[in-house]
Amino acid sequence: DVVLTQTPPTLSATIGQSVSISCRSSQSLLDSDGDTYLNWLLQRPGQSPQLLIYSVSNLESGVPNRFSGSGSETDFTLKISGVEAEDLGVYYCMQATHAPLTFGGGTKLELK
Amino acid sequence: QIQLVQSGPELKKPGESVKISCKASGYTFTDYAMHWVKQAPGKGLKWMGWINTYTGKPTYADDFKGRFVFSLEASASTANLQISNLKNEDTATYFCARDSGYGVMDAWGQGASVTVSS
Repeated sequence: DVVLTQTPPTLSATIGQSVSISCRSSQSLLDSDGDTYLNWLLQRPGQSPQLLIYSVSNLESGVPNRFSGSGSETDFTLKISGVEAEDLGVYYCMQATHAPLTFGGGTKLELK
Repeated sequence: QIQLVQSGPELKKPGESVKISCKASGYTFTDYAMHWVKQAPGKGLKWMGWINTYTGKPTYADDFKGRFVFSLEASASTANLQISNLKNEDTATYFCARDSGYGVMDAWGQGASVTVSS
């Protein structure tokens, strides 16, 4: 199974600060069709996860453009350009290139 | 708007069975596959598998073969998860999530809590 390793596990930020979360894969996530199926989700406290970014860098409809994703093959990054209070929660990367689908361990974003 | 509404919390004893439902609205149910995801208390997300809502064919992750069954009531736009012979380690919140293509889970249910305790 593909192992996704997220760092850091916990991130403390002030409002307005820019932060990045890393997701490293044990295998390349580049599919034979040329696409890379790496997505990012946010789970706010007490809520279900919500999709932020799909296929590395595509912003889901309705998600603020302070969120951006980048990367390729095995190294991926989620950046938040100017944290807002509503961004607090646990961020997960997940891959759908290889079966079974797998999630990273999560990165908890807290207020400093 | 797209909604996935799951059934309420369940408290069960070891060895019993439970059935969780996920009712979809706001889109054509059979056009999108449905995933099931487990979240144990205080833990991360674990993919259980998915069901093709057009054919009804389920696919299970290895850890969820045997006691877990995905099914459909397509006429009611509902996906179901049944767990038999419940164990303490099945205590978790179970989410259904719509697949908009290539494993992109673009809509999630609110989660269904299952507690297994004697």
